[in-house]
Amino acid sequence: AQTVTQSQPEMSVQEAETVTLSCTYDTSENNYYLFWYKQPPSRQMILVIRQEAYKQQNATENRFSVNFQKAAKSFSLKISDSQLGDTAMYFCAFWGNQGGKLIFGQGTELSVKP
Amino acid sequence: GAGVSQSPSNKVTEKGKDVELRCDPISGHTALYWYRQSLGQGLEFLIYFQGNSAPDKSGLPSDRFSAERTGGSVSTLTIQRTQQEDSAVYLCASSLMAGGMYEQYFGPGTRLTVT
Repeated sequence: AQTVTQSQPEMSVQEAETVTLSCTYDTSENNYYLFWYKQPPSRQMILVIRQEAYKQQNATENRFSVNFQKAAKSFSLKISDSQLGDTAMYFCAFWGNQGGKLIFGQGTELSVKP
Repeated sequence: GAGVSQSPSNKVTEKGKDVELRCDPISGHTALYWYRQSLGQGLEFLIYFQGNSAPDKSGLPSDRFSAERTGGSVSTLTIQRTQQEDSAVYLCASSLMAGGMYEQYFGPGTRLTVT
């Protein structure tokens, strides 16, 4: 069965600095998708970035980028120029060929300090 | 356009009572998902619907949990004989179709408290 692990329950960063959130996963599949979701206190889950496993190029969305290491089954999220609005829970998620469901990690609570 | 909506936003119920949680997906989305988020935990898959296919119920924790989707649109998650361990936020999501290339859009969730 697929699993997703986020080993950092909490992290903090100063405003305007860079922070990296870690995620590892376990799967025997070759084709799959990986995601980072943001959940602010409002509870609304928001997709931050998506990576297709067959693409070697790391995905980038403005200040957000990933470091996808397929062989190591690692998928970290880098947030550059951190902003106060980035304060939230961040979840790493996996989608494989097991149907429509996403498998989520336990989350990392990120605090951006002024 | 309108996003995924859920009602009620909060529900407090007594142990042993039945509850119904409602989800209105984005219009035109054929796939609908229910997840549960317990305090301080990640999201746990419960069930998903894709078009007219039989739902994937593999995540339902017990036979007290059931869900239906009427007319391929609105979905209701029912929990019978609620227990304190059912207390959690229940999140609904929808996507154009089921598949990793289709973004799942989440609703704001229903916070269920069983006293």
